[in-house]
Amino acid sequence: GESVGLHLPTLSVQEGDNSIINCAYSNSASDYFIWYKQESGKGPQFIIDIRSNMDKRQGQRVTVLLNKTVKHLSLQIAATQPGDSAVYFCAESRGNQFYFGTGTSLTVIP
Amino acid sequence: DAGVIQSPRHEVTEMGQEVTLRCKPISGHNSLFWYRQTMMRGLELLIYFNNNVPIDDSGMPEDRFSAKMPNASFSTLKIQPSEPRDSAVYFCASSPRYTRNTIYFGEGSWLTVV
Repeated sequence: GESVGLHLPTLSVQEGDNSIINCAYSNSASDYFIWYKQESGKGPQFIIDIRSNMDKRQGQRVTVLLNKTVKHLSLQIAATQPGDSAVYFCAESRGNQFYFGTGTSLTVIP
Repeated sequence: DAGVIQSPRHEVTEMGQEVTLRCKPISGHNSLFWYRQTMMRGLELLIYFNNNVPIDDSGMPEDRFSAKMPNASFSTLKIQPSEPRDSAVYFCASSPRYTRNTIYFGEGSWLTVV
């Protein structure tokens, strides 16, 4: 069936290293993608988005890459900090619906 | 700017009781979403509204669940009667446009049914 899934459910990185979180999507009709960060006890927080007519978008310390050929989305976090520890979700949108992946738990080791 | 506001933040109730969750979307947003999050199933869309009108409620698990949006600044999600398997975090989210736009989440209502 159609799904948005993550390759790695957990990821541990050293403070200061770069983090890469991956996401696969199965529906080529999806035209808008969002990464969310969810800290313990809080709601998902918007990080960065990208539309299907782009391959890359950069924010503050974060970069999202979109590879439509293989239906793959990644979130890169530069110089990972302890405050980046959270669960990260990718979401794809087509039409008026959003579909969320299961999430990757990122732990930053001081 | 105020974000999406949900209440209560935490609720513990006995099986069979009615539960009402409330949401105030971001002012000016015309789409509102109710999600449920559990460890087993992740984030599930229950229902969404556009301009106060329910568009898709196919995610509502059973007739015990109902949602209303009487005006642009208020929505409720009601569970009657509640069951232990309804224990989850319920998120309300809003979006400024109907399609292809970021949705912003509230902090969630943490429901425990015992």
